[in-house]
Amino acid sequence: DGGITQSPKYLFRKEGQNVTLSCEQNLNHDAMYWYRQDPGQGLRLIYYSQIVNDFQKGDIAEGYSVSREKKESFPLTVTSAQKNPTAFYLCASSTPFQGVAGELFFGEGSRLTVL
Amino acid sequence: RKEVEQDPGPFNVPEGATVAFNCTYSNSASQSFFWYRQDCRKEPKLLMSVYSSGNEDGRFTAQLNRASQYISLLIRDSKLSDSATYLCVVIAIMNYGGSQGNLIFGKGTKLSVKP
Repeated sequence: DGGITQSPKYLFRKEGQNVTLSCEQNLNHDAMYWYRQDPGQGLRLIYYSQIVNDFQKGDIAEGYSVSREKKESFPLTVTSAQKNPTAFYLCASSTPFQGVAGELFFGEGSRLTVL
Repeated sequence: RKEVEQDPGPFNVPEGATVAFNCTYSNSASQSFFWYRQDCRKEPKLLMSVYSSGNEDGRFTAQLNRASQYISLLIRDSKLSDSATYLCVVIAIMNYGGSQGNLIFGKGTKLSVKP
């Protein structure tokens, strides 16, 4: 079955540590996205990528980094520079970019807690 | 004015009730509209697209009012399983003839259906 896989589902981190969240899709989608969701808040865009080897900052990119070396993969690194990293992180993909004609497909999310 | 606004709720309704949500948007260039459903601590999933002519899928009806810049979602004969948060998604096309858009999520409306 095609879909998006995020790992890990739950992650605990000590302050000052970098962590990398994995996102893999086998939908053959060109565009991939990372969103952050805080309780009672909407989804906020961190980074997006329209094509391999290219990515753009979203609305809240500070303290995060990404790479897009393969079409299928779009990992997100939460660095120690991110002031409030505890959140629910969602990876999504679509075709075409931002799903003008279609929908966004989401992974099940990764819940990061900083201790 | 916020770009996409939703009443956060919660809407507490009995089983069998009819409930309606609205979502207002500020960008008159918005072209594509969707309703997503998000269960507690889960990822959002597409519920339905919203077309200019309206869209009906079983108990769910979505409508678009371009003049007043809002979309609506009507749920008839509410079921316990309809309890979730409903997210409004609006896409404004940035490049006519292209596929690049500016996709914005509302913060969601929480629905709780009680027995």
